[in-house]
Amino acid sequence: QKEVEQNSGPLSVPEGAIASLNCTYSDRVSQSFFWYRQYSGKSPELIMSIYSNGDKEDGRFTAQLNKASQYVSLLIRDSQPSDSATYLCAVNLPYNNNDMRFGAGTRLTVKP
Amino acid sequence: DVKVTQSSRYLVKRTGEKVFLECVQDMDHENMFWYRQDPGLGLRLIYFSYDVKMKEKGDIPEGYSVSREKKERFSLILESASTNQTSMYLCATSPGQARGAFFGQGTRLTVV
Repeated sequence: QKEVEQNSGPLSVPEGAIASLNCTYSDRVSQSFFWYRQYSGKSPELIMSIYSNGDKEDGRFTAQLNKASQYVSLLIRDSQPSDSATYLCAVNLPYNNNDMRFGAGTRLTVKP
Repeated sequence: DVKVTQSSRYLVKRTGEKVFLECVQDMDHENMFWYRQDPGLGLRLIYFSYDVKMKEKGDIPEGYSVSREKKERFSLILESASTNQTSMYLCATSPGQARGAFFGQGTRLTVV
């Protein structure tokens, strides 16, 4: 089983809608979770981190964490065409010297 | 801002050549990572290092080695390049303590 699983998509939403991206992880010891955005031809950039159960909001982005279900999600409100990118979920593995593992990514397209 | 610099943006090598990919960071981060990214497969960890001269294998270490003689520099070595190592290679650094990772611009390697 992979450490991090994501639906590969593609996910398509109309401009102004809420985009919902999901991720599950296998290791219950993991404490830190991250969302990255990767535009085509560019490197991933960190957009959200979350460590505690519940929601964390930053502008139009909300990360949600449910450790009991081993589930992390990213909501993008009022989606814009500029949000079109691949979104990668990542998990930190603290017992292995802070190893970082990534999901395969979900490609999001926001249509005007 | 964190600056992670990879030595080449594009590289073309011949089968059987020994290939060196260099990564330098300027933020005194403990952890450094080498990933490769292929369509549909996401980011796969090759090796990472959590301290000078210390390394851990990732999911796909075969055919690769690494070197970290100084804290700021982490090298990926392809011992004998093969066509199935044609890929995008991404270096990342992290301060550890579950604070996310920061990526270099990537090296697109083509082995012919």
